[in-house]
Amino acid sequence: GQSLEQPSEVTAVEGAIVQINCTYQTSGFYGLSWYQQHDGGAPTFLSYNALDGLEETGRFSSFLSRSDSYGYLLLQELQMKDSASYFCAAEEDMRFGAGTRLTVKP
Amino acid sequence: NAGVTQTPKFQVLKTGQSMTLQCAQDMNHEYMSWYRQDPGMGLRLIHYSVGAGITDQGEVPNGYNVSRSTTEDFPLRLLSAAPSQTSVYFCASSQRLAGGLEQYFGPGTRLTVT
Repeated sequence: GQSLEQPSEVTAVEGAIVQINCTYQTSGFYGLSWYQQHDGGAPTFLSYNALDGLEETGRFSSFLSRSDSYGYLLLQELQMKDSASYFCAAEEDMRFGAGTRLTVKP
Repeated sequence: NAGVTQTPKFQVLKTGQSMTLQCAQDMNHEYMSWYRQDPGMGLRLIHYSVGAGITDQGEVPNGYNVSRSTTEDFPLRLLSAAPSQTSVYFCASSQRLAGGLEQYFGPGTRLTVT
């Protein structure tokens, strides 16, 4: 099995950059996914990393270091609509972290 | 495409009652899964299926049954509801691609057991 650790809350201002970290412990590992969930909504897929390095998708980027069992989601040019919970997930057994609640302030 | 649909949206059960949560997808995805989400605990995998006729247990399977007779449908059965099963239930479908396992989630079923 696996466990994934994320900070519970992060606060940032509009236009800023924020990084949400995820560390994992695993007996096997395929890759790390990131999902966004707005209050009352369903999770939506943001990105996936199977290999070390940075994957960029518009304002969102995700990074993975397999040797450090660590990844992060980077959100740039924050907008109010980015206020949501963000989850990292390990592909091997589809286990999710507890989520990081991001609050973007004006 | 409707994507992943779930019914009902809301449900209240009494302890001991049984019911089935419905999930359907129209994307011809191989993988389907059921999660429950409790406050502050993220999503926990209940059961999953890698194709019609194949199911397996996830992290928290006790008290739930599943079957996968078709590619499209993946119902979740609560055998004898308990207050501890009060939660939001999400169904997801996915296709394994080079970019990993991108899961598409349904809108969820909010279940209260009294």
